[in-house]
Amino acid sequence: DIVMTQTPLSLSVTPGQPASISCKSSQSLLYSNGKTYLYWYLQKPGQSPQLLIYEISSRFSGVPDRFSGSGSGTDFTLEISRVEAEDVGVYYCMQGTHLPYTFGQGTKLEIK
Amino acid sequence: EVQLVESGGGLVQPGRSLRLSCTSSGFTFGDYAVSWLRQAPGKGLEWVGFIRSKRYGGTTEYAASVKGRFTISRDDSKSIAYLQMNSLKIEDTAVYYCTRDSVSDYWGQGTLLTVSS
Repeated sequence: DIVMTQTPLSLSVTPGQPASISCKSSQSLLYSNGKTYLYWYLQKPGQSPQLLIYEISSRFSGVPDRFSGSGSGTDFTLEISRVEAEDVGVYYCMQGTHLPYTFGQGTKLEIK
Repeated sequence: EVQLVESGGGLVQPGRSLRLSCTSSGFTFGDYAVSWLRQAPGKGLEWVGFIRSKRYGGTTEYAASVKGRFTISRDDSKSIAYLQMNSLKIEDTAVYYCTRDSVSDYWGQGTLLTVSS
């Protein structure tokens, strides 16, 4: 199975400051069709997870443009340009290239 | 509005069976795969499996931890997907989510399954 490793596992950010989460996979996530199925989800406290980013860098409908994704191959990053209070929760990366799909451990974002 | 609603969770003894349902609305259900994921208490997310749309054969894929015990099916006429869980184990205790497509772009609110004697 593909192992997804997120760092850091927690971060505390002052509102208005940027935040960055890394996600590394144990194998390349590049699929034979040229796409890379790397996703980012946010689970806010007490809520179901929600999709933020698909295929490395495409923002899902309604996701603010302060969220951006980048990377390729085995190294990926989620960046929040200016953290807001509503961004608190646990962020997960997931790979959908290789079966079984696998998640990172999650990164808990708190507000200072 | 896209909606997915899970139901059927509850308390069950180890070794018993249970079926979860995922009732969908707001989109053409038959055009999409349906995924099931779970989250054990206080833990991270785990992919359970999915069922492809009929266009792609309606075939299924499963995580190793549930393969042979869990079965995903779908009834496109009712816009419902099912997760049949047999030979349940204590470690199957989790909130179970159904999601739209393999991308999991929309999630239900989840249903809690507790496996305990």
